[in-house]
Amino acid sequence: EPEVTQTPSHQVTQMGQEVILRCVPISNHLYFYWYRQILGQKVEFLVSFYNNEISEKSEIFDDQFSVERPDGSNFTLKIRSTKLEDSAMYFCARKGAGSYEQYFGPGTRLTVT
Amino acid sequence: AQSVTQLGSHVSVSEGALVLLRCNYSSSVPPYLFWYVQYPNQGLQLLLKYTTGATLVKGINGFEAEFKKSETSFHLTKPSAHMSDAAEYFCAVSAENDKIIFGKGTRLHILP
Repeated sequence: EPEVTQTPSHQVTQMGQEVILRCVPISNHLYFYWYRQILGQKVEFLVSFYNNEISEKSEIFDDQFSVERPDGSNFTLKIRSTKLEDSAMYFCARKGAGSYEQYFGPGTRLTVT
Repeated sequence: AQSVTQLGSHVSVSEGALVLLRCNYSSSVPPYLFWYVQYPNQGLQLLLKYTTGATLVKGINGFEAEFKKSETSFHLTKPSAHMSDAAEYFCAVSAENDKIIFGKGTRLHILP
């Protein structure tokens, strides 16, 4: 099944700056997810998004984070004021039709300096 | 709550040898289990999944896994390792509201 594309592939930003990571589904889906993977660590769930609303978020997903689907197509993750510890690989995923598996995009590597 | 434990952060096998990557899960409800593979500098690719039905599931690239409820295990195997199998492998379980909980991963090294 087709996955999702993510832009940019790599983002370097200074601490305190806002970043927006984008996820573009190849076909129309309703369920989207964001995960992150700090270098050398496991993949962690951030937030799930269904029908244009957050359905669940983790403890990591604090007030600095937000998600939206501004144009009905792109699915974005915004970090308002980045910290050094936000440096990670961020993966967007979509849920497969009628099943429980998720299909992941190639990720955006965020480096906060 | 759901959790996954992968035994061995690094596993080395010789090319042509059996690959066995171990995974144990904890779940308060019937689990949905997955193995994902991550090649260097790439995203996560679904290898195989168990939802219901047959407990031995086959995936891509010759991998398979067996769901054993009595042992709460979902070990990944491949009869004959290939150099191209070198990657990081993540066992995962689906939790409430469909979020996926990942294990810490096992890096598979293939020796020539």
